[in-house]
Amino acid sequence: NAGVTQTPKFRVLKTGQSMTLLCAQDMNHEYMYWYRQDPGMGLRLIHYSVGEGTTAKGEVPDGYNVSRLKKQNFLLGLESAAPSQTSVYFCASSYSDEQYFGPGTRLTVT
Amino acid sequence: SQQGEEDPQALSIQEGENATMNCSYKTSINNLQWYRQNSGRGLVHLILIRSNEREKHSGRLRVTLDTSKKSSSLLITASRAADTASYFCATDGPLNNNAGNMLTFGGGTRLMVKP
Repeated sequence: NAGVTQTPKFRVLKTGQSMTLLCAQDMNHEYMYWYRQDPGMGLRLIHYSVGEGTTAKGEVPDGYNVSRLKKQNFLLGLESAAPSQTSVYFCASSYSDEQYFGPGTRLTVT
Repeated sequence: SQQGEEDPQALSIQEGENATMNCSYKTSINNLQWYRQNSGRGLVHLILIRSNEREKHSGRLRVTLDTSKKSSSLLITASRAADTASYFCATDGPLNNNAGNMLTFGGGTRLMVKP
C-alpha cells in the first residue's frame, strides 16, 4: 500500500495564480484532512471531509476550496494565491482516532 | 489559536539520556495523541492516550495524562540519534464535533539527540 500520497511535492506560484493540490489514499478511509504548517509551528486544519461528497471548514479555511468527488481523493484548491499562503501543506486520512499523513507539498507564493 | 502547547520548544540531549516533553491544553478532551515529524517529512503517529487513562507505554515511550491539570508528558527513554525529530501533541478538541475525528496540534518540541 502506498498510504497517503500528495502531488506535487513542490510548487512556486506567482500572486494571483491558481493551483490544485491532490491527495490520494488507498486505505479506504472515510475521513480526510488538509493542514498547513508554517515554520516552527504545528499544523492548522484548513478543511476536512467525513466522506465522499462532503466537505467542511476547519480552523483556517479562507482562500481555499476543497472537493471530495471520490472517496480516495481529496483536492485542495487555491483560486488566487497570496504570499500568506506560502507554507507546507499536509494531507491526512483516518478511519478512527489515528491520522495517517502524506509527505507534504511545499508551496511558495511570490 | 492552538489547543496544545508543548514545552520546551527545543531540547538537546546526549544519546542514552531520557527526553521529556510536556503538553498543555485548554479544553476537555476525549483523547490525546503524540506524533513525530522528521525533518521534511509528514507526521507519524506514536501513541494515543484516552481521557480515562493516566499512563501508557509503547516500547521506549511513556505517556502520562493529567486531566485535572490539562497536561500530558511524553518520555523517551534511552534516546538514540534516530529519535532526532519534532514531536507534537494533538487533542481531539475544541474543533471536534464527533463528525470527523479532528485534531488540534500544538507547536511542537524539536528534539536533537547527539551521538
